[in-house]
Amino acid sequence: GIQVEQSPPDLILQEGANSTLRCNFSDSVNNLQWFHQNPWGQLINLFYIPSGTKQNGRLSATTVATERYSLLYISSSQTTDSGVYFCAVDKEYGGSQGNLIFGKGTKLSVKP
Amino acid sequence: EPEVTQTPSHQVTQMGQEVILRCVPISNHLYFYWYRQILGQKVEFLVSFYNNEISEKSEIFDDQFSVERPDGSNFTLKIRSTKLEDSAMYFCASSFDRVNQPQHFGDGTRLSIL
Repeated sequence: GIQVEQSPPDLILQEGANSTLRCNFSDSVNNLQWFHQNPWGQLINLFYIPSGTKQNGRLSATTVATERYSLLYISSSQTTDSGVYFCAVDKEYGGSQGNLIFGKGTKLSVKP
Repeated sequence: EPEVTQTPSHQVTQMGQEVILRCVPISNHLYFYWYRQILGQKVEFLVSFYNNEISEKSEIFDDQFSVERPDGSNFTLKIRSTKLEDSAMYFCASSFDRVNQPQHFGDGTRLSIL
């Protein structure tokens, strides 16, 4: 099946710093979503971005579908950005379309 | 903005008991999903549902699990005889289409099996 690899697995930042999280995937995809899982376990949808670039406040994301990777940028990080960031994709072709495959996540800790 | 709602937020059940987790998907969505996340691990696909039948299920979704859309708004996941290893966060999601559309997730139900 499709493989989703996220890096780095852990990241510690000082408040105000910028960061880049990466998601590599092994096959063509229809769907790519970035989620933030907060300390209460809720999955917050950040971006639906199978290709191109999007921005939402301090967060932006870029997916280069032809090279099978996506990047999530966090600028001027705040302590409330702490949590686990997941990338999830589904396959473009074949069976299991529509079923999201999640990476293992990047655990981000922002220190005051 | 419409959202997926899940109840209860936390369920504690004795091993061997049946449990039903409930979800209300976004009203005009047609595709429904359940995912599971064991503590500290990644989110895993369980089952997808469309047009009142299962579209696909993972190897995790064995005979102990079932899904149902009992009316026009609810989507339920039933575990017939719970095991300790069923303890996890269960997420419901819905989407308007199977592909080229984002999936919208509920806040999850934390299931604890004693």
